[in-house]
Amino acid sequence: QVQLLESGPGLVKPSETLSLTCTVSRDSITSGDFYWSWIRQSAGKGLEWIGRINPSGSTDYNPSLKSRVTISIDTSRNQFSLELYFVTAADTAVYYCARDVFAILGLVHNWFDPWGQGALVTVSS
Amino acid sequence: DIQMTQSPSSLSASVGDRVTITCRASQNIDKYLNWYQQSPGKAPKLLIYAASRLQSGVPSRFTGSGSGTAFTLTISSLLPEDLATYYCQQSYRTPLTFGGGTKVEIK
Repeated sequence: QVQLLESGPGLVKPSETLSLTCTVSRDSITSGDFYWSWIRQSAGKGLEWIGRINPSGSTDYNPSLKSRVTISIDTSRNQFSLELYFVTAADTAVYYCARDVFAILGLVHNWFDPWGQGALVTVSS
Repeated sequence: DIQMTQSPSSLSASVGDRVTITCRASQNIDKYLNWYQQSPGKAPKLLIYAASRLQSGVPSRFTGSGSGTAFTLTISSLLPEDLATYYCQQSYRTPLTFGGGTKVEIK
């Protein structure tokens, strides 16, 4: 059963860059028809999808964050990463990484499974 | 963006009760709808995908139905371990979006 684990600083100063890494274990990040997503959860905005990447490096971003986000992948380390630039207090949230599963059920459907345990990131000086 | 609206935002029910949660999409999303359960202090967990397909390992008391703009998640007989917040999520179009959640409490 694949597992995901987020890591990175829990405190970031305003205007700086939030950096998180998701390590995938018990399976290869290149196996199957998967993308790899970042999702955050804050009290104010609920669950918000940030973006995703596939093993070839193709990305999709939420337009609301696109100008401040980069998602990258390191297949040799079985990891993918999130960078969010110029953070403010509004970026304080629990950040989750998740596997974005694609399957053909007549048409192509996708869903998030599994999720990492989440990493709380607080933006404060 | 496709807006997802859940109702109610919270409910309280007794063990053994039938519980129904509604999710509405701001436009037609066919059956591109997933349901997640988030127990207190935990990450969300997939329950239902493609509107009505039960994820492996999820108890059969959970069922999903609907298509187009209206969807429901039903718990046929509530158990204490079902205490959680439930979220719907559309996968019809990016940006992928979630409902605001329904918190289920046990009386």
